[in-house]
Amino acid sequence: AQKVTQAQTEISVVEKEDVTLDCVYETRDTTYYLFWYKQPPSGELVFLIRRNSFDEQNEISGRYSWNFQKSTSSFNFTITASQVVDSAVYFCALVYGDDKIIFGKGTRLHILP
Amino acid sequence: DTGVSQNPRHKITKRGQNVTFRCDPISEHNRLYWYRQTLGQGPEFLTYFQNEAQLEKSRLLSDRFSAERPKGSFSTLEIQRTEQGDSAMYLCASSLRTLSSEQFFGPGTRLTVL
Repeated sequence: AQKVTQAQTEISVVEKEDVTLDCVYETRDTTYYLFWYKQPPSGELVFLIRRNSFDEQNEISGRYSWNFQKSTSSFNFTITASQVVDSAVYFCALVYGDDKIIFGKGTRLHILP
Repeated sequence: DTGVSQNPRHKITKRGQNVTFRCDPISEHNRLYWYRQTLGQGPEFLTYFQNEAQLEKSRLLSDRFSAERPKGSFSTLEIQRTEQGDSAMYLCASSLRTLSSEQFFGPGTRLTVL
């Protein structure tokens, strides 16, 4: 069965600290896609990144970076030098099979000024 | 504004009433998705359309739920005989291609069933 686990329900860090959000997935499919979305207090989910199962290259975009490791079925997300505007709920999602999607339960991130 | 829009933003209804929500996707997107999100959970997939064709329905979508996308443009999600368990945020998203591509989400419709 497919599953996405975001074990960290809630994290609080002080502004400018680095923070890593964990995502562990389960699937038997060899072709799949992993996503991170951000849901700020306004409610609209915003796309952050997509990775396919054949591309294990890590990616950096500004203060954001992603570490994809198939060996541990993990797709972790790090925010460097966090800012108050990073406060949101972050969701990891898995797209698999014949166009199916499952989201994790999300991690609520509080950046304290 | 060229993003995904949803109306109404909030709906309060009494148990047993019917409700209908509307989603207007980004105009060039042929894929439209409906999700349900309850407090502390991630979005749960309900159904999706490719143009006007409804291609997939989740087991979560009971017979009381129906969705349409006439002419492949806007979509409506109707819930008949609402129950308190239907209280949730209903999210709509659209994309250019399949689920493997980026989805653009609307602000959601929050349904409260009393």
